[in-house]
Amino acid sequence: DFVMTQSPDSLAVSLGERATINCKSSQSVFYSPNNKNYLAWYQQKAGQPPKLLIYWASTRESGVPDRFSGSGSGTDFTLTISRLQAEDVAVYYCQQYYSSPPVTFGPGTKVDIK
Amino acid sequence: EVQLVESGGGVVRPGGSLRLSCAASGFRFEDFGISWVRQAPGKGLQWVSGINWNGGSTGYVDSVKGRFTISRDNAKNSLYLQMNSLRAEDTALYYCARVSPSAIAVAEFVGAFDIWGQGTMVTVSS
Repeated sequence: DFVMTQSPDSLAVSLGERATINCKSSQSVFYSPNNKNYLAWYQQKAGQPPKLLIYWASTRESGVPDRFSGSGSGTDFTLTISRLQAEDVAVYYCQQYYSSPPVTFGPGTKVDIK
Repeated sequence: EVQLVESGGGVVRPGGSLRLSCAASGFRFEDFGISWVRQAPGKGLQWVSGINWNGGSTGYVDSVKGRFTISRDNAKNSLYLQMNSLRAEDTALYYCARVSPSAIAVAEFVGAFDIWGQGTMVTVSS
């Protein structure tokens, strides 16, 4: 199975500042025939189901604010929140869907306000 | 409104069975792969099982193979998860999640998940 790791486990950022979350896959999730990275990012607020933010590593889901961006390729990926808002307090998960079954999620990164 | 609504959770003794249901509305259910994803209390997300649009392709995480069976009834816009031989480690909130039409994996029953239900809680305890 593909093992996903995330860093840091948690971070606290001041309002309006940048938050950066890293995700690493144990194997490449890049598929060269279609030039795509099979990597998604989710936001989960307390008591709510996850919400899809990013897919194909860098494509923003419809309706997601443009302060959220994804980057990376192969095994190393980053989710950036450019200007943290109070409503961004949540746990963020990466997920690979290159190898299935099973798809696998990272352990999550908790983002709080400093 | 596009939504998924899970039901069927509850408290069951180890070795027991439960059948979860997921009712879809607001979209053409028969066009989409759907998966079950669970979350143990205070823990992260774990994909459990998935099924493609017509039920012809399914997948399971190793820990539930032989115990859980996923199925769907497109005429009823419904997804099911039959869970047998339940164990304490199956205790979790079970979500159904739709595969995004923009981000489908080679295995059609998974991809990025764009629509999630609110979940149904399964507790396995003696």
